[in-house]
Amino acid sequence: SQTIHQWPATLVQPVGSPLSLECTVEGTSNPNLYWYRQAAGRGLQLLFYSIGIDQISSEVPQNLSASRPQDRQFILSSKKLLLSDSGFYLCAWSVQRGGSTDTQYFGPGTRLTVL
Amino acid sequence: AQSVTQPDIHITVSEGASLELRCNYSYGATPYLFWYVQSPGQGLQLLLKYFSGDTLVQGIKGFEAEFKRSQSSFNLRKPSVHWSDAAEYFCAVGAPVNTGTASKLTFGTGTRLQVTL
Repeated sequence: SQTIHQWPATLVQPVGSPLSLECTVEGTSNPNLYWYRQAAGRGLQLLFYSIGIDQISSEVPQNLSASRPQDRQFILSSKKLLLSDSGFYLCAWSVQRGGSTDTQYFGPGTRLTVL
Repeated sequence: AQSVTQPDIHITVSEGASLELRCNYSYGATPYLFWYVQSPGQGLQLLLKYFSGDTLVQGIKGFEAEFKRSQSSFNLRKPSVHWSDAAEYFCAVGAPVNTGTASKLTFGTGTRLQVTL
């Protein structure tokens, strides 16, 4: 069966510091991978998605970047955090299959607080 | 572009009572529809999904949802709520994509369910 991991689970960082959040998927190959942010009291905002290694699409211009150095690894980064980067970050994966929309399965999330 | 509206931000029901959470979508063709549940501090768990076929979909934890094309709705229901159902519920809509692209979901803003004993 497939599992998705995220770490760290929680993170408190000062403004201006760098960020690296990691997401890995087990039990599947060549998944689509996604990064979402969930601000307090709001829905999910899609930040990035990837259909393959080094193939990243950005949905929202922002202070963040994403990379996919391996097939099942997805990393969310920032060089300098802003207060507005605080939130709950969720990674998700789906099967790659054309002609349909596939179910997205979510990781446990990372709570980021920027002070 | 697709969109989802969950008109109820917060709902309170008594344990044992029935539940209906509303979801309205906007999409030009037959949508792919999902309901997810999120407990505090946790990720999202898939409750059920509708791709095609029978418009009444059964999910986990005793939930069901009915796709009504004429009303552009996909409401979530449960006949008897348990205290453990207290959580936030998200409706999402997706569109078919071509091979080599990623399917993207549009989420509603969620409905927070509180269950009183």
